[in-house]
Amino acid sequence: KNEVEQSPQNLTAQEGEFITINCSYSVGISALHWLQQHPGGGIVSLFMLSSGKKKHGRLIATINIQEKHSSLHITASHPRDSAVYICAVEASGGSNYKLTFGKGTLLTVNP
Amino acid sequence: EAGVAQSPRYKIIEKRQSVAFWCNPISGHATLYWYQQILGQGPKLLIQFQNNGVVDDSQLPKDRFSAERLKGVDSTLKIQPAKLEDSAVYLCASSLDWDRGLYEQYFGPGTRLTVT
Repeated sequence: KNEVEQSPQNLTAQEGEFITINCSYSVGISALHWLQQHPGGGIVSLFMLSSGKKKHGRLIATINIQEKHSSLHITASHPRDSAVYICAVEASGGSNYKLTFGKGTLLTVNP
Repeated sequence: EAGVAQSPRYKIIEKRQSVAFWCNPISGHATLYWYQQILGQGPKLLIQFQNNGVVDDSQLPKDRFSAERLKGVDSTLKIQPAKLEDSAVYLCASSLDWDRGLYEQYFGPGTRLTVT
């Protein structure tokens, strides 16, 4: 079992819909990252959070440390949001800051 | 601020050939990471440098992969000889520091390697 599991693997939505992508992890963490990867492009960091909730524009990220679960929400989705969204965790207690990545969720938003 | 630069963007080689990738991190970033991302999977850390020293290379296939970061700035990742299963996107990332954690990593555009 992977340390970081994302669901769904693929998601297709219509423009304007509310999107939720989930991430569950099995280890204690000091931080969780949500990243965005466009086809053929590099990876962009969206959020880094260790508790609660963060909001940036139409994107909202939440984390529940007790339940080892995080969600990424996109409100009023747009075709330009189409990308792979990757969850990554930094395990706590170690001496090295190393990210463990999920496999990603491919989001396609149709006009 | 310039981002993380990588070259080449694409490379096609035959198995058993050698290949090298180059990365220039964001100026002032002490920590540099090389990741391998196979299609359909998340990135996997190959090696992490702090300045010009290696912090973690536990997942680097050392029989064929090597990396260096001379002078603590640019880095090169080499594969010799390449195998079919090395086909992947190789991502370079940098961050300000590492030992205090919670530093964002900034990723380059990646190099897409195809081994035929």
